[in-house]
Amino acid sequence: GAVVSQHPSRVICKSGTSVKIECRSLDFQATTMFWYRQFPKQSLMLMATSNEGSKATYEQGVEKDKFLINHASLTLSTLTVTSAHPEDSSFYICSARVLAGAQETQYFGPGTRLLVL
Amino acid sequence: SQQGEEDPQALSIQEGENATMNCSYKTSINNLQWYRQNSGRGLVHLILIRSNEREKHSGRLRVTLDTSKKSSSLLITASRAADTASYFCATVGASGGYQKVTFGTGTKLQVIP
Repeated sequence: GAVVSQHPSRVICKSGTSVKIECRSLDFQATTMFWYRQFPKQSLMLMATSNEGSKATYEQGVEKDKFLINHASLTLSTLTVTSAHPEDSSFYICSARVLAGAQETQYFGPGTRLLVL
Repeated sequence: SQQGEEDPQALSIQEGENATMNCSYKTSINNLQWYRQNSGRGLVHLILIRSNEREKHSGRLRVTLDTSKKSSSLLITASRAADTASYFCATVGASGGYQKVTFGTGTKLQVIP
């Protein structure tokens, strides 16, 4: 199946710094990628939809100026957590949308664990 | 808000037993997917069932879908200790021109050797 990678897998940073997370589709092109956040013992919550060559679409309650998304190519989307604070500590997961005929599915990356001290 | 609600929230069984997890949702869907997540890891896609399908099998997995009741179940037969993980259902429905995936709350399965 399609492979999606994320980098880094784990990051620890100081409060106030910015952190960039990369999501790559390794063997296919993805015009649409999604960013999710998962707090401990909770389900995944969609943060935003990343569209190649255009602005991301953010879900209600997600600050677009805090979570900057750039989908500059068909295989790469980046999420930058700006001025990170301890409450931003979470597991961030991206996925890439794949269309096979009329059937659509998403392939998920392995996730990035962010800890803000 | 979460589309899917899963029950039970947690399930503990002996190795060899069957595990059944249920998922209910609220709006119309195009398909429903089940994912597995080992602790602290990413998601693994298990199976997809379309809205016009009622049952699907994949190895030891059996998924049913009842669109009239807006519910789905995931059955893992002859469970193994390695099946210990969290299982999420995800509904896929149309939203603004593309399909939106919404995850349920998950069931944490523990299989005791």
